[in-house]
Amino acid sequence: SAVISQKPSRDICQRGTSLTIQCQVDSQVTMMFWYRQQPGQSLTLIATANQGSEATYESGFVIDKFPISRPNLTFSTLTVSNMSPEDSSIYLCSVTAGETEAFFGQGTRLTVV
Amino acid sequence: GNSVTQMEGPVTLSEEAFLTINCTYTATGYPSLFWYVQYPGEGLQLLLKATKADDKGSNKGFEATYRKETTSFHLEKGSVQVSDSAVYFCALLSGSARQLTFGSGTQLTVLP
Repeated sequence: SAVISQKPSRDICQRGTSLTIQCQVDSQVTMMFWYRQQPGQSLTLIATANQGSEATYESGFVIDKFPISRPNLTFSTLTVSNMSPEDSSIYLCSVTAGETEAFFGQGTRLTVV
Repeated sequence: GNSVTQMEGPVTLSEEAFLTINCTYTATGYPSLFWYVQYPGEGLQLLLKATKADDKGSNKGFEATYRKETTSFHLEKGSVQVSDSAVYFCALLSGSARQLTFGSGTQLTVLP
């Protein structure tokens, strides 16, 4: 199994600012995934972060808005840039182990005012 | 590509009623299937999973059976409680994609 520590757990931010979310995994993993859950919605994959290469973004998400770092096999950050109220969501990081296990951080509940 | 179709909500039941939330999927290969639960104001929790055809996942009185022939993984509970009120997500993990694909979620409200 894997334990993921995600922080901050919640934040209230002013529009136009940026927030960086951190995820630390207690084991080495090849891929880390970042999801967004907008209010009342399901989880949508933002990007896949691989160590040593640029993140792969899903349709509708761009690097300028959601830059991701992956400096090593246990850590990743997601930045939400130039925030607007529409960015108010829960952001989650996740890792998978093979084809049968998936683990999530506790999520970051972001409110933009 | 992979997709998960989940029963539309919201679902409102009386306490001790029988619950079924339908979930069907499309995937390449042989995915693992999951049900996650999200209680109000909380994070995502794994409820149960099944990794191969005919497997039954179970937890806290909830059950779901991996039906390959109907590509389904319906969630059931014989007698719901008020504390089961939450949003339930069906999801799959396919080896080729390596990330979870989620259904749209079903809001369950159980009334006393």
